[in-house]
Amino acid sequence: QKEVEQDPGPLSVPEGAIVSLNCTYSNSAFQYFMWYRQYSRKGPELLMYTYSSGNKEDGRFTAQVDKSSKYISLFIRDSQPSDSATYLCAANTGNTPLVFGKGTRLSVIA
Amino acid sequence: GAVVSQHPSWVICKSGTSVKIECRSLDFQATTMFWYRQFPKQSLMLMATSNEGSKATYEQGVEKDKFLINHASLTLSTLTVTSAHPEDSSFYICSARRVDENIQYFGAGTRLSVL
Repeated sequence: QKEVEQDPGPLSVPEGAIVSLNCTYSNSAFQYFMWYRQYSRKGPELLMYTYSSGNKEDGRFTAQVDKSSKYISLFIRDSQPSDSATYLCAANTGNTPLVFGKGTRLSVIA
Repeated sequence: GAVVSQHPSWVICKSGTSVKIECRSLDFQATTMFWYRQFPKQSLMLMATSNEGSKATYEQGVEKDKFLINHASLTLSTLTVTSAHPEDSSFYICSARRVDENIQYFGAGTRLSVL
């Protein structure tokens, strides 16, 4: 079993929709959780960073971590065509390399 | 913000030649840098982790003699693909972690095409 599981999609939504992206993980030692956005042929860009369980909001983006169920979520409100990209969840224990999910390809249709 | 610069963004080379890719942290010091490889529509595959002044730690299955990594300073790491072959064609991405936090910042990536 891969340490971080993520549905690769693709996911297609109309402009303005609320998008929910999810990951599960198996390593209970993971304490740090991140979401990256990657446009085609570009490097990943950090969107959200969360330590342990809880919610974090930044503009239209909300990250949630539920350590009891080992579940990570990213919500995008009022989605825009410019949000079309691949979203990668990642986790680690601290001073270790990030473990990435496969990424979910999102298309927001105008 | 934390900026990681990666050069070149695209390189085409002949089979058998060597290619060097540079990764620089522009506005922060990075004790640790990471090199990833990414195939189309797939996730990032960690190749190696390098700490400034130390030898790189390679992931299982990655040939250290083929993918030479040097991390000579807190702001620069290089990946050299030696004797490149067409199967080495891929998207290579570097990442740097700041000294004082557990966040990896990524470069824009290098697209390598070996003819």
